[in-house]
Amino acid sequence: AQSVTQLGSHVSVSEGALVLLRCNYSSSVPPYLFWYVQYPNQGLQLLLKYTTGATLVKGINGFEAEFKKSETSFHLTKPSAHMSDAAEYFCAVTTASGSARQLTFGSGTQLTVLP
Amino acid sequence: NAGVTQTPKFQVLKTGQSMTLQCAQDMNHEYMSWYRQDPGMGLRLIHYSVGAGITDQGEVPNGYNVSRSTTEDFPLRLLSAAPSQTSVYFCASSYSRTSVGTQYFGPGTRLLVL
Repeated sequence: AQSVTQLGSHVSVSEGALVLLRCNYSSSVPPYLFWYVQYPNQGLQLLLKYTTGATLVKGINGFEAEFKKSETSFHLTKPSAHMSDAAEYFCAVTTASGSARQLTFGSGTQLTVLP
Repeated sequence: NAGVTQTPKFQVLKTGQSMTLQCAQDMNHEYMSWYRQDPGMGLRLIHYSVGAGITDQGEVPNGYNVSRSTTEDFPLRLLSAAPSQTSVYFCASSYSRTSVGTQYFGPGTRLLVL
């Protein structure tokens, strides 16, 4: 079984400030980890993903995330927030094994960017 | 490519009514899935399909049926709508079952059951 916990359902940052969205996962086998973003009234779109290899992954719009196995974490960061980053962000996990590789989502973090 | 399309965008039903939410993709993706999104609960998997003629249940399948007669289409049927099925429904697809993490989402269908 796999699960995802996102700490903080709402995060507010000032424009230009660091963005940090937290994600912890649980998985009995090596995980594949993802961050998705959802803008208002739209579907989700992939921001970045970790499968194997380098643990620091870069995504679109200046976001990056680091896979830390010892901490079972995959936190999302961006050095400088922009107003256009306001959206809901979802962390998700699947595994590399098994015939039904379902994607399990966290409950989401709503990011507000203050002017 | 149109990507993943969903119809209708919004629907109001009365308790007990039935309806079908349509989903289509033009990317020749093998894997398709249906999620519901409720506040504070993220997305939960309803049903998924790994290819034409093959479907399976996800986390919350009760009250929903699916079929996959073609690669392109994956309709979701509500047999007898209940207020608890008020939600936003998303269809998604990915190239194969091994790339299920990289999914392409449709714009969603907002369903209100009175």
